[in-house]
Amino acid sequence: QKEVEQDPGPLSVPEGAIVSLNCTYSNSAFQYFMWYRQYSRKGPELLMYTYSSGNKEDGRFTAQVDKSSKYISLFIRDSQPSDSATYLCAMTYSGGGADGLTFGKGTHLIIQP
Amino acid sequence: EAGVAQSPRYKIIEKRQSVAFWCNPISGHATLYWYQQILGQGPKLLIQFQNNGVVDDSQLPKDRFSAERLKGVDSTLKIQPAKLEDSAVYLCASSWTSGSDTGELFFGEGSRLTVL
Repeated sequence: QKEVEQDPGPLSVPEGAIVSLNCTYSNSAFQYFMWYRQYSRKGPELLMYTYSSGNKEDGRFTAQVDKSSKYISLFIRDSQPSDSATYLCAMTYSGGGADGLTFGKGTHLIIQP
Repeated sequence: EAGVAQSPRYKIIEKRQSVAFWCNPISGHATLYWYQQILGQGPKLLIQFQNNGVVDDSQLPKDRFSAERLKGVDSTLKIQPAKLEDSAVYLCASSWTSGSDTGELFFGEGSRLTVL
């Protein structure tokens, strides 16, 4: 069993829809959770960073962490064609948030105009 | 603010040849990472530097891969000899310090390697 599981998709939804992206993990030592967005032929860029269980909102994006179920989610409201990208979940158990990141495979998201 | 610079962007080589990638991190960033991203996979950490010292190279195939960060700024990643399975995008990333409390890595655009 891989440490981090993420459905690679592709996930195709119409513009304006609510998108739900998910990851599960097996290592209960993971404490810091991130979502990165990666456009084609570009490097990943940080979207959301969370530490505790619960929800964190930033504009149209909401990150949700459920440590008891070892499950994290990213919701995108009012999705736009510009949201089309690969979304990577990442997590770590180190004392800081950027060291030793374990990434999921990424979910390829397509927003249809 | 200039981002993380990487070169070359694309490289095609025959198996058993050697290749080197260069990275210039964001100015002032003490920590530098090299990640390998195989098509359809998430990035996998190869090596992490704090200034010019190695923090983590546990997943670096040391029989063929080497990396250095002289003077704690630029870094090079070398593969010699290359194998077919080394075909991937090599991503360089940097952050302010080891243990950055925001989880934010700043990635370059990557160097895409094809081994024939």
